[in-house]
Amino acid sequence: ETGVTQTPRHLVMGMTNKKSLKCEQHLGHNAMYWYKQSAKKPLELMFVYNFKEQTENNSVPSRFSPECPNSSHLFLHLHTLQPEDSALYLCASSQGVGDAGGKETQYFGPGTRLLVL
Amino acid sequence: AQKVTQAQTEISVVEKEDVTLDCVYETRDTTYYLFWYKQPPSGELVFLIRRNSFDEQNEISGRYSWNFQKSTSSFNFTITASQVVDSAVYFCALSGPIQGAQKLVFGQGTRLTINP
Repeated sequence: ETGVTQTPRHLVMGMTNKKSLKCEQHLGHNAMYWYKQSAKKPLELMFVYNFKEQTENNSVPSRFSPECPNSSHLFLHLHTLQPEDSALYLCASSQGVGDAGGKETQYFGPGTRLLVL
Repeated sequence: AQKVTQAQTEISVVEKEDVTLDCVYETRDTTYYLFWYKQPPSGELVFLIRRNSFDEQNEISGRYSWNFQKSTSSFNFTITASQVVDSAVYFCALSGPIQGAQKLVFGQGTRLTINP
């Protein structure tokens, strides 16, 4: 496989369920990102990992728990979500070379469409 | 704080027409990068172009062209002779200097519909 892959592509869960979203990148990158895209808001950055270390948590509620076991894999663990958490969750990766001056390009996966009932 | 504004929420044109998508940004950084991404119905954001703040040359790639004007803080995107396959949501984004990984700020997106 090439690029950035995400599984599952669609997920329906109840508010008491626990589920996980998976992202894998095949680009040799070191930085990975989680974004949330809901109907009426711009893309919101949730978390950033660089060389497996979390470098950004954009005030995300604790019911979202990220995990980055290595530079190629990123997970988003979900528990006791609310209906307003229904959205498209996008994963991205970039080179992550340090002090890049913002010039890196992020490459995105196809996203997971989450519906919380 | 950084901000990106795409004032056009939706645009609908007939195939073969030219269409321009507007993007206006705000930043206090002297070094920054601007991006355009395309999001087709499948959901994946597809990278189209990256431009740095020191390069104001316009760029053309096939039917796509970009006009960067620092004086007006704009980075507009034009599709010439539009095609139905160009139908998608287009996002403009801005990044600035940051240690390690990158922080992108996206505009609200413009939904472009090309009618046959």
